[in-house]
Amino acid sequence: KNQVEQSPQSLIILEGKNCTLQCNYTVSPFSNLRWYKQDTGRGPVSLTIMTFSENTKSNGRYTATLDADTKQSSLHITASQLSDSASYICVVSAAGGGSQGNLIFGKGTKLSVKP
Amino acid sequence: DSGVTQTPKHLITATGQRVTLRCSPRSGDLSVYWYQQSLDQGLQFLIQYYNGEERAKGNILERFSAQQFPDLHSELNLSSLELGDSALYFCASSVVLAGRAGELFFGEGSRLTVL
Repeated sequence: KNQVEQSPQSLIILEGKNCTLQCNYTVSPFSNLRWYKQDTGRGPVSLTIMTFSENTKSNGRYTATLDADTKQSSLHITASQLSDSASYICVVSAAGGGSQGNLIFGKGTKLSVKP
Repeated sequence: DSGVTQTPKHLITATGQRVTLRCSPRSGDLSVYWYQQSLDQGLQFLIQYYNGEERAKGNILERFSAQQFPDLHSELNLSSLELGDSALYFCASSVVLAGRAGELFFGEGSRLTVL
């Protein structure tokens, strides 16, 4: 069964600190992996998309890594800001048809950045 | 601004009623997805359309139905509403189907409250 699991469920850090969010997946055949940021009550916004051949991708202070062998990804946030407080969702796209429209969503990690 | 427009933004109705949520995808995007997000929960895939045709179905209740029109806008119909249907309903659009989903752009959601 295609699944995406994220950890931790929630995280509290102080402003200015770094943090790393984890995503493990069992999706086959794999197409790509995405990270989204969702502010409370808003629509998710794409941060990065990585294909099988990409190990690292950055978007400002956000850096995503992908290990296709171990089926793990991480999202590293550097020098956190209060505006980073949000849910971060890992989404894996399966190649070919699937019951979820090819996209399998994790439940998200809720990050709170405190001053 | 993702380019995906959802209306209405907020909707309050009573149990047993029927509502219609509307989504206009980004210009050029043929694929539309609908998701439900209950309070503090992850995004649950409901249904996907591509160029007017249903392509994938998730855990969509029989009381819910959707369609995509020739101009590519989509509507999600929710009937015989129950308290548990209160949630944020998101529409997303993407440009590529072909076995994989392209960049996904989410609308700001329609918040449904059933009293």
